Amino acid sequence: AQKVTQAQTEISVVEKEDVTLDCVYETRDTTYYLFWYKQPPSGELVFLIRRNSFDEQNEISGRYSWNFQKSTSSFNFTITASQVVDSAVYFCALTSGQAGTALIFGKGTTLSVSS
Amino acid sequence: DVKVTQSSRYLVKRTGEKVFLECVQDMDHENMFWYRQDPGLGLRLIYFSYDVKMKEKGDIPEGYSVSREKKERFSLILESASTNQTSMYLCASSLWGSVENTEAFFGQGTRLTVV
Repeated sequence: AQKVTQAQTEISVVEKEDVTLDCVYETRDTTYYLFWYKQPPSGELVFLIRRNSFDEQNEISGRYSWNFQKSTSSFNFTITASQVVDSAVYFCALTSGQAGTALIFGKGTTLSVSS
Repeated sequence: DVKVTQSSRYLVKRTGEKVFLECVQDMDHENMFWYRQDPGLGLRLIYFSYDVKMKEKGDIPEGYSVSREKKERFSLILESASTNQTSMYLCASSLWGSVENTEAFFGQGTRLTVV
């Protein structure tokens, strides 16, 4: 069975602090895909990144970076120099490379950035 | 732009009513999903479909059924609505390919209240 665990329920930081959101996953598949989504107060889910299981390169996009480590089954997300607009619920998700498999989400981490 | 459209943004129904939530996508995606989102529980998968007339149970299918007669449309049915089905319902679609899965695209959500 596949599972995604986001152990941090809520995180509060002050603007300009760096923050890391943890994601640990479980799967028996050798081919799988990991995702991060952002859900701002408006409610719409926004796709941030996709990573496949064969690509362990870290990725940086502006203030966002992702650290994928198969050895620890983790796909962590770091926001550098956080801003108030980063306040949202962040979800990590997992699906396998097999047809007909579900997209499974973690319970999400609520990030609050204060000024 | 990919569009996933849910038929209603807000819905109020009475206990015992049969409720239909409709979702349409315009990008010829094979996969379609129904989730419900509740505070502290994240996105829980109700049902998903990877092809016309194909459906698979997710984590919480009890009290729900689905229909996918056409590729672009995926309907969620509450056979006899109950108050514990009051929730935000999210529909999503994604492309399944032999090489790469795309991210899932989400609708705007339907806030269902059962009274």
